[in-house]
Amino acid sequence: AQKITQTQPGMFVQEKEAVTLDCTYDTSDPSYGLFWYKQPSSGEMIFLIYQGSYDQQNATEGRYSLNFQKARKSANLVISASQLGDSAMYFCAMREAYSSASKIIFGSGTRLSIRP
Amino acid sequence: NAGVTQTPKFRILKIGQSMTLQCTQDMNHNYMYWYRQDPGMGLKLIYYSVGAGITDKGEVPNGYNVSRSTTEDFPLRLELAAPSQTSVYFCASSSQGQGIHNEQFFGPGTRLTVL
Repeated sequence: AQKITQTQPGMFVQEKEAVTLDCTYDTSDPSYGLFWYKQPSSGEMIFLIYQGSYDQQNATEGRYSLNFQKARKSANLVISASQLGDSAMYFCAMREAYSSASKIIFGSGTRLSIRP
Repeated sequence: NAGVTQTPKFRILKIGQSMTLQCTQDMNHNYMYWYRQDPGMGLKLIYYSVGAGITDKGEVPNGYNVSRSTTEDFPLRLELAAPSQTSVYFCASSSQGQGIHNEQFFGPGTRLTVL
């Protein structure tokens, strides 16, 4: 069974600092994808970044990067130079290649608060 | 493209009432999903559909029903609403079902309160 674990319920970070949000996963499928979504206080789910299990390099999207350590089954999100607008809930999620209907399983989330 | 749209945005139900949450996508996605998000929690899959006429249960299907008569629409029906169904409901869609890199696109959510 697949499982996503986010061990940090909440984090406070000073503006302009870098922040790492932890995510570990469990799967027996050799082919899978990992996603990070942002949910601001307005409630919508915003896709941030994707990492495939066979990707050779860590994914990057602007200020977001994914620290993918396959052997440790971790996929931490790194936000560089944090901004006040980064304050939100962040969800790690996983899809297995052979999951029925390409279902995505979500972690419980981390609430990130950026201090000015 | 409007993406994924949901109606209503907010709703208050009395215990035992029924309602349908509407979801429409205009991206011609074959896969659609319904999630619920309880306060401070992640998303749990209620039902999903791989195409018109085909639906299946997710993690928490009890108390809900779905139908998929068209590619665009995927309504979620609540029968006999209970306080435990107070939650925010998200509809999502994705293309090319077996493509693991395809992210899900989410609607804005429906905030439902059952009193």
